[in-house]
Amino acid sequence: GENVEQHPSTLSVQEGDSAVIKCTYSDSASNYFPWYKQELGKGPQLIIDIRSNVGEKKDQRIAVTLNKTAKHFSLHITETQPEDSAVYFCAASNQDNQGGKLIFGQGTELSVKP
Amino acid sequence: DTEVTQTPKHLVMGMTNKKSLKCEQHMGHRAMYWYKQKAKKPPELMFVYSYEKLSINESVPSRFSPECPNSSLLNLHLHALQPEDSALYLCASSMGRLDSPLHFGNGTRLTVT
Repeated sequence: GENVEQHPSTLSVQEGDSAVIKCTYSDSASNYFPWYKQELGKGPQLIIDIRSNVGEKKDQRIAVTLNKTAKHFSLHITETQPEDSAVYFCAASNQDNQGGKLIFGQGTELSVKP
Repeated sequence: DTEVTQTPKHLVMGMTNKKSLKCEQHMGHRAMYWYKQKAKKPPELMFVYSYEKLSINESVPSRFSPECPNSSLLNLHLHALQPEDSALYLCASSMGRLDSPLHFGNGTRLTVT
């Protein structure tokens, strides 16, 4: 089955710097890759997603890149702000399979220092 | 604010109690999910309902019993839980199409004493 590895587990940056979180997946049939942000006391919220027919997607300060050959995808946050501090989860699934079960990475705790 | 509403926000129950968690969404989504999340871990899938029918049960113990009364509501009935069942229980919904993203609620923080 699918396995998703996420690095780093913790990341501390200064406000205004960029942050990069990387994930690798094992199942070459996976074709949907969402990223979730979970703030303390809240549920995960989708911040961006990418499908395997696209190499890069950007939404304001957030971008995701996908390398299908290497089976890895990354989240890039530019001009970080204290409110970006949260736990970020990557995930992968094969949307062509019945159920399309999401497999999550272990999470990255991002701390943005003012 | 999330469009998936979960009640209660917090629940403390003894091992002999029976309680229920509730989830509601009004986005017209046709798939609803229960996840369990332990501290500093990713969510773990428990159950999936698709068009009000149970489509996935991830080998969850029978002390957890899901129910989907209609397309907007999802319940999780709890009975004879163990302390290790203490966790954040998250409900999520999606359009039900295989490429539609999950929308999570803020969860119920459950403590079993």
